[in-house]
Amino acid sequence: EAQVTQNPRYLITVTGKKLTVTCSQNMNHEYMSWYRQDPGLGLRQIYYSMNVEVTDKGDVPEGYKVSRKEKRNFPLILESPSPNQTSLYFCATWTAQETQYFGPGTRLLVL
Amino acid sequence: GQQVMQIPQYQHVQEGEDFTTYCNSSTTLSNIQWYKQRPGGHPVFLIQLVKSGEVKKQKRLTFQFGEAKKNSSLHITATQTTDVGTYFCAGQDTDKLIFGTGTRLQVFP
Repeated sequence: EAQVTQNPRYLITVTGKKLTVTCSQNMNHEYMSWYRQDPGLGLRQIYYSMNVEVTDKGDVPEGYKVSRKEKRNFPLILESPSPNQTSLYFCATWTAQETQYFGPGTRLLVL
Repeated sequence: GQQVMQIPQYQHVQEGEDFTTYCNSSTTLSNIQWYKQRPGGHPVFLIQLVKSGEVKKQKRLTFQFGEAKKNSSLHITATQTTDVGTYFCAGQDTDKLIFGTGTRLQVFP
């Protein structure tokens, strides 16, 4: 079964405490992406990766880092989280000209 | 940069009424995709349109892609309570997929 998994699903943290949200896919897709979803703003792309060791900034990359050491994993790193990064985060994966498969989402609250 | 605008932001309808959401891009798109997100869920792919003027149907849902490949619409005939959710369009330009802001549909029984 095609799957995109994210962990954790829910996280409450404090300002400045580094955190990582993991994303893993079992479809052998080249492309992976991270989005944040905020009320009234829809889905905004943070970073995307077209293949292993290839990452590019999306529309809202400030305050985030990513890495793509293996094809199946694409972790999102917040080195020093701030309250404005409180959001719902989705990882997605796809191949060229095909649809995106989204993970279940990670709800993050930064106090 | 490329923008994808979607209207309306919200729509409340009585069950059985029709519903339409519109999507407009500032640039010509290679394709457009539509997704549905149920409350508390994640976006789920509905359909992809590629050709200029293309129309596709899925049961009560009709999707159109404009002749200039810059706009699209989703029309639901005779809404049901199971149609509740947020509908997103997403326009593809080269390798990037830009999502619209979504239309939240509420259906009252």
